[in-house]
Amino acid sequence: DAMVIQNPRYQVTQFGKPVTLSCSQTLNHNVMYWYQQKSSQAPKLLFHYYDKDFNNEADTPDNFQSRRPNTSFCFLDIRSPGLGDAAMYLCATSRTASNQPQHFGDGTRLSIL
Amino acid sequence: RKEVEQDPGPFNVPEGATVAFNCTYSNSASQSFFWYRQDCRKEPKLLMSVYSSGNEDGRFTAQLNRASQYISLLIRDSKLSDSATYLCVVNKWGNQFYFGTGTSLTVIP
Repeated sequence: DAMVIQNPRYQVTQFGKPVTLSCSQTLNHNVMYWYQQKSSQAPKLLFHYYDKDFNNEADTPDNFQSRRPNTSFCFLDIRSPGLGDAAMYLCATSRTASNQPQHFGDGTRLSIL
Repeated sequence: RKEVEQDPGPFNVPEGATVAFNCTYSNSASQSFFWYRQDCRKEPKLLMSVYSSGNEDGRFTAQLNRASQYISLLIRDSKLSDSATYLCVVNKWGNQFYFGTGTSLTVIP
């Protein structure tokens, strides 16, 4: 089945130690998104790629970076995780057409020690 | 003003009840609308798209009112397995999706 796959499902890192989360998709969607979701809150968009074009949200901290080496893969890099970065990180994909929904991966739950 | 607003609930209803959620959006140019279901500590999963004429999928009915800028989700004959958070998502244009904060539903035996 075509899908969005995130790895790892759970990630534990130390305060200040860089971490990379990965997302891959077999849907051949041209848009990929990264969201941060904390408990009882809506997903918060960090950034998205439209093909190779990177679109950063204005309030996304510089600590968060992303790479999309090809259509199928997208990475979220957190350069120096702080305690406030503990959250669920969700990857989603969509087609450009506005009537198409987003498809989410299972998410990576990040804990900071 | 938020792009999308939902009543966070919680809604606690008995099995078999009918429950309705509303969601309002601020931008009249919004083009497409979705309801997602999110279980605790899981990812959002698409429940249904919302079409202009309204649409139904089994026990679930979605409606769109462009004049008043709201969408609704009606769940009939609630099951225990319907307990989840329901997220309203609005697409304004292109790649811009806006999420409501979600409405929590608990179906009680």
